[in-house]
Amino acid sequence: DTEVTQTPKHLVMGMTNKKSLKCEQHMGHRAMYWYKQKAKKPPELMFVYSYEKLSINESVPSRFSPECPNSSLLNLHLHALQPEDSALYLCASSRVEGRYEKLFFGSGTQLSVL
Amino acid sequence: SQQGEEDPQALSIQEGENATMNCSYKTSINNLQWYRQNSGRGLVHLILIRSNEREKHSGRLRVTLDTSKKSSSLLITASRAADTASYFCATEEDSSYKLIFGSGTRLLVRP
Repeated sequence: DTEVTQTPKHLVMGMTNKKSLKCEQHMGHRAMYWYKQKAKKPPELMFVYSYEKLSINESVPSRFSPECPNSSLLNLHLHALQPEDSALYLCASSRVEGRYEKLFFGSGTQLSVL
Repeated sequence: SQQGEEDPQALSIQEGENATMNCSYKTSINNLQWYRQNSGRGLVHLILIRSNEREKHSGRLRVTLDTSKKSSSLLITASRAADTASYFCATEEDSSYKLIFGSGTRLLVRP
């Protein structure tokens, strides 16, 4: 299994809703990531988990709350989002190859906040 | 944060032609990676070049790295319509899991 699976593929939510994005990998990778990508822009790093512990938080607003229940799963809990949070949310996992981390990306969740 | 700029922002070529994309970055690096993204999909790792390498090949891909100019180029030879995608360079800050992407080049290969 060489896939990173993200659900749902599409999500529409209101500003008062609470929703969660899910990400799963069964490649035994030790690090998992959340990236946010606006249209025609590069992905921007949000969070990194290493060995199930949060190691990087790129000053992301608290309305985004990551969770890593175990080494295969990564969630992103969403609450009180703003329309400008509409974007493609990409999950990735990585393994060490030589001296660098090789990332494997999921297909993303396209989020629309109304 | 964004590590660097890529140019051109968009490139349209005929099938069979070569496509060249350039990436500039700001800080010292251990390696530079190139990724491809089909529209609205996840990114796929294409190739990595280490800071002590100047050129690397993989199939129809050729990557160069000039650390003195802090720049890299990706050449796709004999392009195909299926190569239509966005291409991003990426650098890793201090081996810290922090992979930062360039602004990207949108490539259109016309059949």
